[in-house]
Amino acid sequence: QKEVEQNSGPLSVPEGAIASLNCTYSDRGSQSFFWYRQYSGKSPELIMFIYSNGDKEDGRFTAQLNKASQYVSLLIRDSQPSDSATYLCAVSTGGYNKLIFGAGTRLAVHP
Amino acid sequence: DVKVTQSSRYLVKRTGEKVFLECVQDMDHENMFWYRQDPGLGLRLIYFSYDVKMKEKGDIPEGYSVSREKKERFSLILESASTNQTSMYLCASSLPLTGELFFGEGSRLTVL
Repeated sequence: QKEVEQNSGPLSVPEGAIASLNCTYSDRGSQSFFWYRQYSGKSPELIMFIYSNGDKEDGRFTAQLNKASQYVSLLIRDSQPSDSATYLCAVSTGGYNKLIFGAGTRLAVHP
Repeated sequence: DVKVTQSSRYLVKRTGEKVFLECVQDMDHENMFWYRQDPGLGLRLIYFSYDVKMKEKGDIPEGYSVSREKKERFSLILESASTNQTSMYLCASSLPLTGELFFGEGSRLTVL
């Protein structure tokens, strides 16, 4: 069974701090890695994806991938209360780009 | 913008009823997916389809079937609903090269 593991949280950070969200995966053949944000009662929306080892930055968000350690992370700089949500890590595995999701980490940013 | 539309946001059904969940996407995507989401379990793949009339089982297909007669439409069918199928159901379509999923708003099904 291919798995994606995330700490369920909640991860509580003060406004303006860096939030660090982590994810590990079991399938070494995984090629693509995604971070989705899901507000309560809403459907997931894509924040960013990463394919290559290293860092990828998009505004306040940085995704980090280490394939050797089977580890992907998301950093959120200057965290805002509006960032409070559940963050889902997803890994593309097998054919047809099926995504396997972690259970999500709940982030709470307090003023 | 990609739009994935699910026909019903909230449904309440009785045990044993047949349930249809409809999903339509407007971006000509080949791949379409049905997930269910439960607290603490995340999103689990039920079925997916990579072309008209083609379907593949996901991780939890038991108790479900699907239909894809047209490229833009992917239906999830519960032949005989049971209480353990009470859940949030999410339809998605994807770009075949990137794998990025675009989700519908979800259908919250309660089976009594």
